[in-house]
Amino acid sequence: DTEVTQTPKHLVMGMTNKKSLKCEQHMGHRAMYWYKQKAKKPPELMFVYSYEKLSINESVPSRFSPECPNSSLLNLHLHALQPEDSALYLCASSQDSSGIYEQFFGPGTRLTVL
Amino acid sequence: TQLLEQSPQFLSIQEGENLTVYCNSSSVFSSLQWYRQEPGEGPVLLVTVVTGGEVKKLKRLTFQFGDARKDSSLHITAAQPGDTGLYLCAEAGSYQLTFGKGTKLSVIP
Repeated sequence: DTEVTQTPKHLVMGMTNKKSLKCEQHMGHRAMYWYKQKAKKPPELMFVYSYEKLSINESVPSRFSPECPNSSLLNLHLHALQPEDSALYLCASSQDSSGIYEQFFGPGTRLTVL
Repeated sequence: TQLLEQSPQFLSIQEGENLTVYCNSSSVFSSLQWYRQEPGEGPVLLVTVVTGGEVKKLKRLTFQFGDARKDSSLHITAAQPGDTGLYLCAEAGSYQLTFGKGTKLSVIP
């Protein structure tokens, strides 16, 4: 199984809503990542989890809250988002976070904030 | 964090034509990855190049890594509509991938 799955595929939410994005991998990878991608731009790193601990936060606003319940799961909790947060949110995983190993990406969640 | 320059930014060609896209940096790459991303999907890894001068082939795609490991190219032979997508190069540094801005390729039937 070399797949990273993400749910939901599409999400529309208001600025006062609370929602969560989910990511799962069963490759035994110990590093997991959240990226944000705006239209016609490359993915931008948001968070890195290494061995279930948050190791990198790229100055992401607190309205985005990541969580890694176990080595296979990664969540991104959303609260009080702004319309400019609308984007494709990508999850990725790799064997570890050393940079030596390839990252495998999920299909993304297309988020629209109204 | 080094900057990766990709060119061209956009490319629209007819089915059957050949094309080359480029990825350049002012610094030496530790390793370089090429991804293809289709609209609404995540990037899919095509290849990783590590050694200067390396050439890798994936069906109609040929990847070259410059001798000095500061540039790379992707050549597609006889492009097909299924090749349409955003081609991203990325350097795998510690903890993160640094992506170029990508080349958006459209292959017209």
